[in-house]
Amino acid sequence: NAGVTQTPKFQVLKTGQSMTLQCAQDMNHEYMSWYRQDPGMGLRLIHYSVGAGITDQGEVPNGYNVSRSTTEDFPLRLLSAAPSQTSVYFCASRSGLIAGANVLTFGAGSRLTVL
Amino acid sequence: GENVEQHPSTLSVQEGDSAVIKCTYSDSASNYFPWYKQELGKRPQLIIDIRSNVGEKKDQRIAVTLNKTAKHFSLHITETQPEDSAVYFCAAIPNAGGTSYGKLTFGQGTILTVHP
Repeated sequence: NAGVTQTPKFQVLKTGQSMTLQCAQDMNHEYMSWYRQDPGMGLRLIHYSVGAGITDQGEVPNGYNVSRSTTEDFPLRLLSAAPSQTSVYFCASRSGLIAGANVLTFGAGSRLTVL
Repeated sequence: GENVEQHPSTLSVQEGDSAVIKCTYSDSASNYFPWYKQELGKRPQLIIDIRSNVGEKKDQRIAVTLNKTAKHFSLHITETQPEDSAVYFCAAIPNAGGTSYGKLTFGQGTILTVHP
């Protein structure tokens, strides 16, 4: 049981490049989400999903795409990277759809730098 | 949407002292308030949570209090130790248990430093 696995751990991009951050969980969690963490701003929700085929926007969705083709995987795509997307990205998942019923479990994070 | 304000942004205490971090929230419908601890370079991990039908919850040296009327909640750490040094985040979920699917809104974080 690996929990929530994110790859890569570190990535450097040039402005305009695209890339995908991978997130996988092996706990059969229905709910998965992506947050970005910036100094002094806490953790901000980018996108979330409540099951395969269902995604929705969070607080800061612009510049990012997601899809949920399987229960296990929830990749985050940067379409055209910008320096403002330099951040640490966390994937998090939770069993069940009722908030507070189960703990939100975070991945180890992916540090992205856009030059 | 929900807005969570967290204070202070940094907190420095001596080992053995108490530390208090406060958060206010805007959505009166919020009813679940977790606290996360993030050590340097690590992922956030839940340390304690409280629901709106409870005014206080304790777990060894940490406790959380909730004032629904004033819409604020606080984390209390007693007998602080150097290993308590970390970033602490509060969070709130509006309509937890309903159809909002738990879109946690986090505070800005507090960097706690415990000096030996």
